[in-house]
Amino acid sequence: GDSVTQMEGPVTLSEEAFLTINCTYTATGYPSLFWYVQYPGEGLQLLLKATKADDKGSNKGFEATYRKETTSFHLEKGSVQVSDSAVYFCALSDPLIQGAQKLVFGQGTRLTINP
Amino acid sequence: EAGVAQSPRYKIIEKRQSVAFWCNPISGHATLYWYQQILGQGPKLLIQFQNNGVVDDSQLPKDRFSAERLKGVDSTLKIQPAKLEDSAVYLCASGGSTSGTTYGEQYFGPGTRLTVT
Repeated sequence: GDSVTQMEGPVTLSEEAFLTINCTYTATGYPSLFWYVQYPGEGLQLLLKATKADDKGSNKGFEATYRKETTSFHLEKGSVQVSDSAVYFCALSDPLIQGAQKLVFGQGTRLTINP
Repeated sequence: EAGVAQSPRYKIIEKRQSVAFWCNPISGHATLYWYQQILGQGPKLLIQFQNNGVVDDSQLPKDRFSAERLKGVDSTLKIQPAKLEDSAVYLCASGGSTSGTTYGEQYFGPGTRLTVT
């Protein structure tokens, strides 16, 4: 079945460091890909998305490019801030699976940014 | 616009007791989802409604979990009887017909944290 595999955490970086969180997927069809973020004490929020190969999603300085050839959607940010500390989830939605539009999530990566 | 509302935010019960969670989705969203998020894991879909019909409940433990969405708006998720392994955050999300949403894009409520002792 469809699945998402994320880089294991936790990840700890210093402020202004470069961030990469790896995400790869397995899907039956041609999925849409998402990154969701969960800040401490808050609900899941959509961070960015991409719906087709080579699309680049971006938001709040974060970027991820849909790579069909490597089935990847890695999250990157050039200079992280303390406020980026959160848990990040990679997810896919596959139109060919039962219950189209449901999200299949990775296990999450906890990111901590130290000042 | 108002987001997805859930209540209660926290609940502590003993095993074998029953519990119910409520969700009010974003107005106009046809699709409603319930996810279970166990500590340290990503959310896992329990049930998906399209309007008031069930689209996917393949991962819902039907011997103890039930859900309904009356009139295609609010939804309740019930657990009876609860087990220790049901301790988790229960997330409600909605999506679908609002213009401009991407296929699969969902909006999540704050969740209900359930502790079963």
